[in-house]
Amino acid sequence: GQQVMQIPQYQHVQEGEDFTTYCNSSTTLSNIQWYKQRPGGHPVFLIQLVKSGEVKKQKRLTFQFGEAKKNSSLHITATQTTDVGTYFCAVKTSYDKVIFGPGTSLSVIP
Amino acid sequence: DAGVIQSPRHEVTEMGQEVTLRCKPISGHNSLFWYRQTMMRGLELLIYFNNNVPIDDSGMPEDRFSAKMPNASFSTLKIQPSEPRDSAVYFCASSPGGGTEAFFGQGTRLTVV
Repeated sequence: GQQVMQIPQYQHVQEGEDFTTYCNSSTTLSNIQWYKQRPGGHPVFLIQLVKSGEVKKQKRLTFQFGEAKKNSSLHITATQTTDVGTYFCAVKTSYDKVIFGPGTSLSVIP
Repeated sequence: DAGVIQSPRHEVTEMGQEVTLRCKPISGHNSLFWYRQTMMRGLELLIYFNNNVPIDDSGMPEDRFSAKMPNASFSTLKIQPSEPRDSAVYFCASSPGGGTEAFFGQGTRLTVV
């Protein structure tokens, strides 16, 4: 089945620094989704990308889908303590099945 | 809408006991998912239903696990007998037909001692 990998597994940044997490697949993806899970919370949907080369922004967050639709990235500019959590990429397959990557855990040092 | 509702929020049980986790999806959503989250294995999809029918249960660890969805507004995940390695957070999520995102419940933290 479809699998996605993420790097890095963990990232510690000083508040104000930028952060990027990468999602990679060995196969072409029809879409890529991103979710955020705060410590002790549940995953919350952030965005879905479907087009080759697509770039979407949400305030300080920038999401990209690779030209070959095999990779994606999430970039956070000037991190804040509210950005702490685990960021998952996920793929929605047929029948609305959603498969999650292993996640990148972000810590922000004030 | 109250969102996806799971119960109980926390469950502590002894090894060998039966555990039943419950989920009420968002009204109108026709896809329902059960996930298990652990530090070691991350967020694993156990089973998902579409229009109350189990579509793919390949993620169910073993025969001790079973899931049902008797109607569009209720689903259960049962573990019998439970084992310490079943300790995890179990999430239920639902999605509208043709929709984009999965909406997650608050999760049930299961501890088997």
